[in-house]
Amino acid sequence: DIQLTQSPSSLSASVGDRVTITCRASQDISDFLAWYQQKPGKAPNLLLYDASRLESGVPSRFSGSGSGTDYTLTISSLQPEDFAAYYCQHYYTPPYTFGQGTKLEIK
Amino acid sequence: QVQLVESGGGVVQPGGSLRLSCAASGFTFSSYGMHWVRQAPGKGLEWVAFIRYDGSKEYYADSVKGRFTISRDKSKNTLYLQMNSLSAEDTAVYYCAKSGSESPGARHYFDYWGQGTLVTVSS
Repeated sequence: DIQLTQSPSSLSASVGDRVTITCRASQDISDFLAWYQQKPGKAPNLLLYDASRLESGVPSRFSGSGSGTDYTLTISSLQPEDFAAYYCQHYYTPPYTFGQGTKLEIK
Repeated sequence: QVQLVESGGGVVQPGGSLRLSCAASGFTFSSYGMHWVRQAPGKGLEWVAFIRYDGSKEYYADSVKGRFTISRDKSKNTLYLQMNSLSAEDTAVYYCAKSGSESPGARHYFDYWGQGTLVTVSS
């Protein structure tokens, strides 16, 4: 099974900051990677898929990059509504595992 | 608009069974793979199970294999999760989710999620 390791597990930042979250896979996943945002008490929301494709309706301050085993989610300028948990997920082959999550908090 | 509405959660004793349902609307249900994902209280997301668009193949997380069964009814546009031999470790909010692209050849990220249904396993 493919394991995903996200880092950091938590992050404190300020409005306007640029932040990066990384996701490392235990093997090459050929860009079959998605990123989700989850706010407390809500279902997750798809941000990006295929490592770098922005889901419709998602603000352009969110971007994704990477290849092979190493991927990143970048938020170019944090907005108040961005403070949430973020998860990566691979869909290379079942089981379609998630990373352990990154909690983004206000500094 | 796409809607996924889960039901069937509740409190069940250890060793008991429960069946979750997910009513789908707003898209061609028979063209998309469907998934169950769960989240234990205060924990991260865990993918649980997947069923192909035509019901021909299922996949499960090791943690539920042999105890849970995913199924779908295209006449009712409904996804199911039959859960048997439940333990406290199965306590979680269970979400149904839709694969992000049409089958065959689909890519299995999740573009729509239900609101979730809480399953509590406790005596």
